[in-house]
Amino acid sequence: GENVEQHPSTLSVQEGDSAVIKCTYSDSASNYFPWYKQELGKRPQLIIDIRSNVGEKKDQRIAVTLNKTAKHFSLHITETQPEDSAVYFCAASRGGANNLFFGTGTRLTVIP
Amino acid sequence: ETGVTQTPRHLVMGMTNKKSLKCEQHLGHNAMYWYKQSAKKPLELMFVYNFKEQTENNSVPSRFSPECPNSSHLFLHLHTLQPEDSALYLCASSQDGTLQETQYFGPGTRLLVL
Repeated sequence: GENVEQHPSTLSVQEGDSAVIKCTYSDSASNYFPWYKQELGKRPQLIIDIRSNVGEKKDQRIAVTLNKTAKHFSLHITETQPEDSAVYFCAASRGGANNLFFGTGTRLTVIP
Repeated sequence: ETGVTQTPRHLVMGMTNKKSLKCEQHLGHNAMYWYKQSAKKPLELMFVYNFKEQTENNSVPSRFSPECPNSSHLFLHLHTLQPEDSALYLCASSQDGTLQETQYFGPGTRLLVL
């Protein structure tokens, strides 16, 4: 089955700096890669996703890059704000939402 | 946000108790999921129902028993649980479980087994 590894497990940045979270996956057939944000005590929510037919996708301050050859994808947050503080989960799927494998999460803290 | 709701939000139970977790989605989705979220572990998919049919059971112990009476409701029946079953149990839904789509999560039930 798929194995998704996520690094770092914790990340602290100064407000205004950029944050990068990286994930690797093992199944070369995986073709859908969503990112979820979970604020303290709240439910996970999708913030951005990318499919294997593109290498990069951007939505305002958030971007995701995908390197299919190396089997890794990354989340980039620019101009971080305190409200970006949360746990971020990456996931990978080869097909079907019931084949979604999550990483272990990264706790991001943005220091004001 | 009321798209996916879960009750109760918190539950403490003894190992001999029987309890049920409830999930309801108001999004018109056809797929519903149970996940277990433990500290420092990936979200673990437990069960998947697509159009009320169970399509996935990821080697979950029989002390967890799901029930999906219709596309809007999902239950997780619990009996003779172990302390290691203490975790946050998240319900999610999506339009169609066979497609790669956004899953919408409920707020979770935090379960403590004594």
